[in-house]
Amino acid sequence: GNSVTQMEGPVTLSEEAFLTINCTYTATGYPSLFWYVQYPGEGLQLLLKATKADDKGSNKGFEATYRKETTSFHLEKGSVQVSDSAVYFCAPQAGAGSYQLTFGKGTKLSVIP
Amino acid sequence: DAGVIQSPRHEVTEMGQEVTLRCKPISGHNSLFWYRQTMMRGLELLIYFNNNVPIDDSGMPEDRFSAKMPNASFSTLKIQPSEPRDSAVYFCASSPTTKSYEQYFGPGTRLTVT
Repeated sequence: GNSVTQMEGPVTLSEEAFLTINCTYTATGYPSLFWYVQYPGEGLQLLLKATKADDKGSNKGFEATYRKETTSFHLEKGSVQVSDSAVYFCAPQAGAGSYQLTFGKGTKLSVIP
Repeated sequence: DAGVIQSPRHEVTEMGQEVTLRCKPISGHNSLFWYRQTMMRGLELLIYFNNNVPIDDSGMPEDRFSAKMPNASFSTLKIQPSEPRDSAVYFCASSPTTKSYEQYFGPGTRLTVT
């Protein structure tokens, strides 16, 4: 199955700063790609997804582009808010056609006023 | 839609007791996943079902763990006997895998074994 390498945290940013969380994966075929977010005390929530090369997933000001050449799916946001403080997980599909997702270790983001 | 429903939300039990965690997936989803999350090991897939059939249980830690899915709207994860190292947050997730592969997570059950 696929493996995923995610930028280690924790990451601390000031409000309105630019955010990038790097994610690269190994892949056979072209898996669907996902980012999840976990707020304290809650389950993981789907943040955005991309299902084919060059697709850009976006939600709540976050974006990530499916880059097949570099097998990357970096998460970005132009201006973070305190409410974005959470743990972010990159999760490629475990293989083309697989029902499983391979979750990264998670990156904890703290945004300070 | 109500989303994935898990019960109980919190469970505190003594070592050696049986624990049963419950999950109701989103209606119409045909795959169901059980995960465990700890600080030390992160998020681990324990088992998943497709159309109520267990497909991969290689993540189940040992024979003390068992999972069932008697119908499309209900699944259980049982630990018998429980041990302190089983303390974790257990998540259930479901997925409409005939259409797409994203998974939708429940709020989790925080299990503490003393």
